[in-house]
Amino acid sequence: DTGVSQDPRHKITKRGQNVTFRCDPISEHNRLYWYRQTLGQGPEFLTYFQNEAQLEKSRLLSDRFSAERPKGSFSTLEIQRTEQGDSAMYLCASPGQSVNTEAFFGQGTRLTVV
Amino acid sequence: AQSVAQPEDQVNVAEGNPLTVKCTYSVSGNPYLFWYVQYPNRGLQFLLKYITGDNLVKGSYGFEAEFNKSQTSFHLKKPSALVSDSALYFCAVRVPQEGTALIFGKGTTLSVSS
Repeated sequence: DTGVSQDPRHKITKRGQNVTFRCDPISEHNRLYWYRQTLGQGPEFLTYFQNEAQLEKSRLLSDRFSAERPKGSFSTLEIQRTEQGDSAMYLCASPGQSVNTEAFFGQGTRLTVV
Repeated sequence: AQSVAQPEDQVNVAEGNPLTVKCTYSVSGNPYLFWYVQYPNRGLQFLLKYITGDNLVKGSYGFEAEFNKSQTSFHLKKPSALVSDSALYFCAVRVPQEGTALIFGKGTTLSVSS
């Protein structure tokens, strides 16, 4: 157990529906990342928060995706009007305070769009 | 563009034999390098990292990796493989001057036979 919690673990949704995932990082870590991992690929960066500020966004993060981190604690990732191509594992990572520390990953939310 | 290559999709080794999982990178600055392991139905787990200093770094579960700047490589090694080492291994790089996110390779499946 890395101390990073993600909910739900699995989500099956119909194309066109909206979905929201939650990540609870390690409590004293002020940085939080979202990644997406598709089958046969390594995780790909989506977005980065420091406290409540969203500081980096990948071009992978289309306008159907939105992420928030109110109060700098848990974070949510919402996908609107889901497409089959959104099917993937969505991972949350919580690194330590220093830029050279490793990231602790949650177990991920597996999204299947049917 | 920054990138990480893991040239082998799969590595097969007999239990008790040494193992090597290869990783090369292409970055424009000084990299921080990481290895993660992913077991089925579990999140990414940190194994080891190179930030600076000694080129040979030791990590969890008896794994080690050698940073080779001239060959831009960071191969993962273990002197004696265990069946329980069978998993999916990811190499990742961060270039602090280019952002804070990790860039992952595609992963290498390690299969250790008894």
